[in-house]
Amino acid sequence: DIQMTQSPSSVSASVGDRVTITCRASQGISTWLAWYQQKPGKAPRLLIYAASSLQSGVPSRFSGSGSGTDFTLTISSLQPEDAATYFCQQANSFPLTFGGGTKVEIK
Amino acid sequence: EVQLVQSGAEVKKPGESLKISCKGSGYSFSSYWIGWVRQMPGKGLELMGVIYPGDSDTRYSPSFQGQVTISADKSISTAYLQWISLKASDSAVYYCARRASSSEWFDPWGQGTLVTVSS
Repeated sequence: DIQMTQSPSSVSASVGDRVTITCRASQGISTWLAWYQQKPGKAPRLLIYAASSLQSGVPSRFSGSGSGTDFTLTISSLQPEDAATYFCQQANSFPLTFGGGTKVEIK
Repeated sequence: EVQLVQSGAEVKKPGESLKISCKGSGYSFSSYWIGWVRQMPGKGLELMGVIYPGDSDTRYSPSFQGQVTISADKSISTAYLQWISLKASDSAVYYCARRASSSEWFDPWGQGTLVTVSS
């Protein structure tokens, strides 16, 4: 199985800050990576697919980059509604696997 | 609007059986893979398996093979996740989600079904 490692596990930032979350795959996955946002008590929501493509309806302050083994999710200007846990997921090979999650809190 | 609606919360005893459901609407249910994802309390996401309702082709993640059964009834646009004998460690929220047409990410997701197994 491909292991997905996210860092940091949590981050606290102020409104307007730039926040970067990283995800590392245990082997190369090209750009077969997705990012999800999950708010407490809610289902995950697809934000980014194919490493850098923004899902329809997702604010443009969210962006993704990377290929191979190293990927990043960036929130360019953190908003109060962005408080959530973010997960990466490799879409390269079965079984599909997720990172452990990064909790983003607002200071 | 593409939507997945799951069955309600369940409280069961160890050893009991359970089948939860996920009903799709707003799209051709037979033509998209559906995945089931487990989220244990305070933990991350784990893909259990996927099913193609068109022909019921099913794939299980190794950790879940033999532990659950995934099925679908395309005539009523519904996928299922079933346990024969529940354990306390099966307590979790279970999500269904539609896989993208030509890739392995999931959108949208159902609202989740909380399963509590306790004596």
